Amino acid sequence: LAKTTQPISMDSYEGQEVNITCSHNNIATNDYITWYQQFPSQGPRFIIQGYKTKVTNEVASLFIPADRKSSTLSLPRVSLSDTAVYYCLVGPPNTGKLIFGQGTTLQVKP
Amino acid sequence: NAGVTQTPKFQVLKTGQSMTLQCAQDMNHNSMYWYRQDPGMGLRLIYYSASEGTTDKGEVPNGYNVSRLNKREFSLRLESAAPSQTSVYFCASTRGRAGTSYEQYFGPGTRLTVT
Repeated sequence: LAKTTQPISMDSYEGQEVNITCSHNNIATNDYITWYQQFPSQGPRFIIQGYKTKVTNEVASLFIPADRKSSTLSLPRVSLSDTAVYYCLVGPPNTGKLIFGQGTTLQVKP
Repeated sequence: NAGVTQTPKFQVLKTGQSMTLQCAQDMNHNSMYWYRQDPGMGLRLIYYSASEGTTDKGEVPNGYNVSRLNKREFSLRLESAAPSQTSVYFCASTRGRAGTSYEQYFGPGTRLTVT
């Protein structure tokens, strides 16, 4: 599975757009990029998944450049409730072995 | 739909004791997983079951055993608990082979302390 690198922590303010970038230089042809969110004392929650270009849902957008060696999770107009740990995962869609890493701790301030 | 449920929510064990963590899902998912999460760390996969009747080791299987009892239930057993197994344990499930999504649904976790 491809190794990912993302910032350990980020700070933002309410109402701002937050972009979290993940590097995955060794991504394989059949790998997908998936992001999870985890609040304290809860299990992770799926946010978004993509293969190339741009994917958008009601929660976030995922931008993937043509070389797919990185990806950016974009959270529009964050609120205090978006304070959480965000994990970037890369791998084939049907593998059982997810590698979560340490994730990015996002702190949203008032 | 309860999603993924885990019991118990909290447990304290003495070194050497055994226990089984229970997990059940009502989403008719094929694949189920057990993770552990130590403080300040990401999740690490202990065991997974791609489908009923199959189980495979993950990153950190030592000291654990699993049983995929049926399609709904996947249990994790600690035969002789050690302090190093103090952690939060999460169970998850996904459609698995039937779909292309990576989306895993997680339970609320079991907080285990071994003294």
